[in-house]
Amino acid sequence: QKEVEQNSGPLSVPEGAIASLNCTYSDRGSQSFFWYRQYSGKSPELIMSIYSNGDKEDGRFTAQLNKASQYVSLLIRDSQPSDSATYLCAVRSGGFKTIFGAGTRLFVKA
Amino acid sequence: DAGVTQSPTHLIKTRGQQVTLRCSPKSGHDTVSWYQQALGQGPQFIFQYYEEEERQRGNFPDRFSGHQFPNYSSELNVNALLLGDSALYLCASSGSGGVRNTIYFGEGSWLTVV
Repeated sequence: QKEVEQNSGPLSVPEGAIASLNCTYSDRGSQSFFWYRQYSGKSPELIMSIYSNGDKEDGRFTAQLNKASQYVSLLIRDSQPSDSATYLCAVRSGGFKTIFGAGTRLFVKA
Repeated sequence: DAGVTQSPTHLIKTRGQQVTLRCSPKSGHDTVSWYQQALGQGPQFIFQYYEEEERQRGNFPDRFSGHQFPNYSSELNVNALLLGDSALYLCASSGSGGVRNTIYFGEGSWLTVV
């Protein structure tokens, strides 16, 4: 079982729709959760971090965490073509390393 | 405020050669992590340096080694290069405190082994 699992996609949504990206993790002791966006040929950039169960909103982005289900999600409202990228879920447990999923490719159709 | 800087941005090496990649952390950060990202994959943790010591290591062979300098900058060395070492090498920096520390990436170094 992979430590952090994501659907590789591609996930295709029309412009203006809500994109929903999901991630599960295996270590119940995980404490910190992150979403990064990576454009083709570029390095990952941080979108959001979340540490407690529930929702956290930042502009068009909402991160959701359910530790009991070991599940993290990212919602992107009013999706734009510029949101087309790979979204990486990342998790940190008690150690020092941050573990990444393989990423979900999102394509927003104009 | 300077972000994480890496050099070189692109390089081509021949199998069996050695390569050194360099990283300067974001201002105020003292911890440096290195990741390897193959095409279509997520970043894979190589190791992390703090206080000039390797603090944690991922599942990479001893051909991969590193160093951290007193000014917190870091180097990644890869010996006896294999074709499979071709990847984007990412440096990430963070502060030293707590599990909530967020890592920030540099632009990466693209390594091609031929």
